[in-house]
Amino acid sequence: DAGVTQSPTHLIKTRGQQVTLRCSPKSGHDTVSWYQQALGQGPQFIFQYYEEEERQRGNFPDRFSGHQFPNYSSELNVNALLLGDSALYLCASSFTGVTQKLFFGSGTQLSVL
Amino acid sequence: KQEVTQIPAALSVPEGENLVLNCSFTDSAIYNLQWFRQDPGKGLTSLLLIQSSQREQTSGRLNASLDKSSGRSTLYIAASQPGDSATYLCAVKGTYKYIFGTGTRLKVLA
Repeated sequence: DAGVTQSPTHLIKTRGQQVTLRCSPKSGHDTVSWYQQALGQGPQFIFQYYEEEERQRGNFPDRFSGHQFPNYSSELNVNALLLGDSALYLCASSFTGVTQKLFFGSGTQLSVL
Repeated sequence: KQEVTQIPAALSVPEGENLVLNCSFTDSAIYNLQWFRQDPGKGLTSLLLIQSSQREQTSGRLNASLDKSSGRSTLYIAASQPGDSATYLCAVKGTYKYIFGTGTRLKVLA
């Protein structure tokens, strides 16, 4: 049983470019959440997708957008990259319900130069 | 607005010591609390989940407690080993999202 998989593992971009990160949830999970983790900080919630809709969004600008596909996989898109977007981007999946235990992927390390 | 604080920020202990990591949160209206482990540059591994109606959960050498009314949780690690060296994060769940603390960096010395 594959866990949460993310691609790519590392990415280097320049300011102003656009990036797409991908996530496949753990088998049986229907909810995907994205988090941004700066060095030395805890993960910050970006948004959550359920039934192909954005269910909740954190305090991130509209440059951050996402999508969930019918197979529950998800993409995170970031436009007009800034140096401050450099971080570890984590995808977490869960099964919707009261518990919603989170399972995380290994993350995508994004560096913006 | 929910805020999660973890104390201490860093901890260094000799192998074999029992230790306690602390997590506090400002809003007691949570659905559950999860403790995670994170190795440098890696994703998070779930250690324990405590439902809001529960007082504690145990897994091997780990025991987590929850006092929702006082906004506190502790993670107890028994007989620490060098392989336990990592950052430990707690997170509390609201309606949909989890809010994380900044973590405790643990180093267990051989």
